[in-house]
Amino acid sequence: KQEVTQIPAALSVPEGENLVLNCSFTDSAIYNLQWFRQDPGKGLTSLLLIQSSQREQTSGRLNASLDKSSGRSTLYIAASQPGDSATYLCAVIGGTASKLTFGTGTRLQVTL
Amino acid sequence: DTGVSQDPRHKITKRGQNVTFRCDPISEHNRLYWYRQTLGQGPEFLTYFQNEAQLEKSRLLSDRFSAERPKGSFSTLEIQRTEQGDSAMYLCASSPGGGVHSPLHFGNGTRLTVT
Repeated sequence: KQEVTQIPAALSVPEGENLVLNCSFTDSAIYNLQWFRQDPGKGLTSLLLIQSSQREQTSGRLNASLDKSSGRSTLYIAASQPGDSATYLCAVIGGTASKLTFGTGTRLQVTL
Repeated sequence: DTGVSQDPRHKITKRGQNVTFRCDPISEHNRLYWYRQTLGQGPEFLTYFQNEAQLEKSRLLSDRFSAERPKGSFSTLEIQRTEQGDSAMYLCASSPGGGVHSPLHFGNGTRLTVT
């Protein structure tokens, strides 16, 4: 059974700092990995999707990397802003291609 | 593209009552998913439709839960004889299909509170 772990569970940084969020998964037989953002009481917003054959994806200040063989992904956020405060979730699609398995998320707070 | 729409946003019900939620996916998205999220946890997969066919159901989906997508467009999720443990956010997502690399687009969810 696929298990996804995210560390740290919570993180607080001052505005302007660069930061890294970590995601690990137990079964490396994945099709892709997706990073989401969730604001309190809201649904999920897709940030980046990395296919299993790719090493990284970039969108603006966000960069996600994937090391499939070691079962790890990182989400790098450059020059953090208070508006980045949210919960960040990673999820993988594995052997059963139809569903995502999610981690429990990292709750990020960017302070002024 | 108006996004995935879920109704209602909030539902409070008494234990033992039946509830039904609706999801309208992004137009022309042929895949539709239901997930459940409890506080502090990531979403957990419940079920998945390809057009009108329900192709997979999680063990989490007990016989009190039923989902339909009769015309391959909107979907409903019904919970019968609700229990306090059913309290959660119910999230719907859709994707265009076309392989495993299509990102999922989520709605804002329906928050269920069972008293």
